[in-house]
Amino acid sequence: GNSVTQMEGPVTLSEEAFLTINCTYTATGYPSLFWYVQYPGEGLQLLLKATKADDKGSNKGFEATYRKETTSFHLEKGSVQVSDSAVYFCALSGNTGGFKTIFGAGTRLFVKA
Amino acid sequence: DTEVTQTPKHLVMGMTNKKSLKCEQHMGHRAMYWYKQKAKKPPELMFVYSYEKLSINESVPSRFSPECPNSSLLNLHLHALQPEDSALYLCASSQTTERTYNEQFFGPGTRLTVL
Repeated sequence: GNSVTQMEGPVTLSEEAFLTINCTYTATGYPSLFWYVQYPGEGLQLLLKATKADDKGSNKGFEATYRKETTSFHLEKGSVQVSDSAVYFCALSGNTGGFKTIFGAGTRLFVKA
Repeated sequence: DTEVTQTPKHLVMGMTNKKSLKCEQHMGHRAMYWYKQKAKKPPELMFVYSYEKLSINESVPSRFSPECPNSSLLNLHLHALQPEDSALYLCASSQTTERTYNEQFFGPGTRLTVL
C-alpha cells in the first residue's frame, strides 16, 4: 500500500538557519505530494504541493521538488524564522484506495531566536 | 471564503452523554472528511463523504456516527464514548475525492475530552 516516511524530530534550529526535512514515499501509479503545516492549537494547512515528477512546489520561502527517481519530496527553506515553529506533515494522495491522503508521522520544528 | 469552521472548539463529556460536532464549509467542495488526531501523531482518517454520501468508513466504532445533511455541513454524533476517544477531531473538505491533486482544507478542530 501507499506510505510516507519522514525524518523524526524534533528539529531545533537557530533563526536564519537552513532547514531540510526529509520525506520519502512508496506508492503505485502517480500520486500527488503535499506538505501540510500545523501551528500550535490549530488545524493543518497546506504549505505546498506537487502533482507530477520534477514539479517544484513553493510557498512562503519553503520549497520541495517531486523526485520520482528517488521517491522523495524533501522540504527546504533557506532561512527559518521563529514563526516557522510548527509540525510539518508530508503527505501523498494516490489514485488507489479511494484517493485517501496518507500522512507521514510529522516532524516538529523548533526555531530559537 | 476558504475557511472550514468547526464547533465547538472544546467539548468535555461524560461516557453516558450524547453530543455532536459540527463542521461547515462554503467553498463548494463536494468531499468532506472527519479525522481524529492524538497528541504528537498525524491525523487518522475516520470517514469520507463524497457528494453527501458516505464513501469511506475506516472501521470506526459505532459510537461515532457521521451525518452529512447537505453539501456544506458535516456532523459527527457521539454517544457512549470512552476516555481513549479523547483527541482533537478535525474536519476537512476538498473539491472532490476523484483527483489526487485536490488538497484538503482543514478546520481548527474540536478538542474533545471524555471523562
